[in-house]
Amino acid sequence: DTAVSQTPKYLVTQMGNDKSIKCEQNLGHDTMYWYKQDSKKFLKIMFSYNNKELIINETVPNRFSPKSPDKAHLNLHINSLELGDSAVYFCASSQLAGGGDTQYFGPGTRLTVL
Amino acid sequence: EDKVVQSPLSLVVHEGDTVTLNCSYEVTNFRSLLWYKQEKKAPTFLFMLTSSGIEKKSGRLSSILDKKELFSILNITATQTGDSAVYLCAVSGRDDKIIFGKGTRLHILP
Repeated sequence: DTAVSQTPKYLVTQMGNDKSIKCEQNLGHDTMYWYKQDSKKFLKIMFSYNNKELIINETVPNRFSPKSPDKAHLNLHINSLELGDSAVYFCASSQLAGGGDTQYFGPGTRLTVL
Repeated sequence: EDKVVQSPLSLVVHEGDTVTLNCSYEVTNFRSLLWYKQEKKAPTFLFMLTSSGIEKKSGRLSSILDKKELFSILNITATQTGDSAVYLCAVSGRDDKIIFGKGTRLHILP
């Protein structure tokens, strides 16, 4: 009965490849997020979707493209992976947008680009 | 520029000690301040604060917000080794942006 799940948990890939990370929440929340946590543990928001619509799009390379097929899913596709993309990516969800509500985080996906 | 600054960046204390973690912020149209505990991977939610001066408590943890001075503190009393973690502070504004601090790494020695 996991609330927010991400797959895969670990992803090791070569530079230049394209990869996707999937996120699903079964909490009935309207808002989902993608965060990037770098090696220094600094969390930075990347995207936020509310009811399948993009509401936050921070300054991230165009190689990163989120896709929300429905309210319960927010996938992250990354093209032409670079070394600097290595990080832990967290998905989260909340009922309300904008931090005015509790955010529930997934377990994270550790991406390593070789 | 919106920012969240946490201090100290790291802290080492002995079991049983009381610790106070600080979070100061500058954000346009403040909406809420959140504290998270991150042990191994995913942060877990601790508190959300929206009003000044009202202390929130959960067991040995408590937190309070000062919207005039733009800061919050997180207190942990009678610390235990299980409290060892990174504690993250995040602030949100009405433009739906959420800004995290860099965290305070707390290590409790047995």
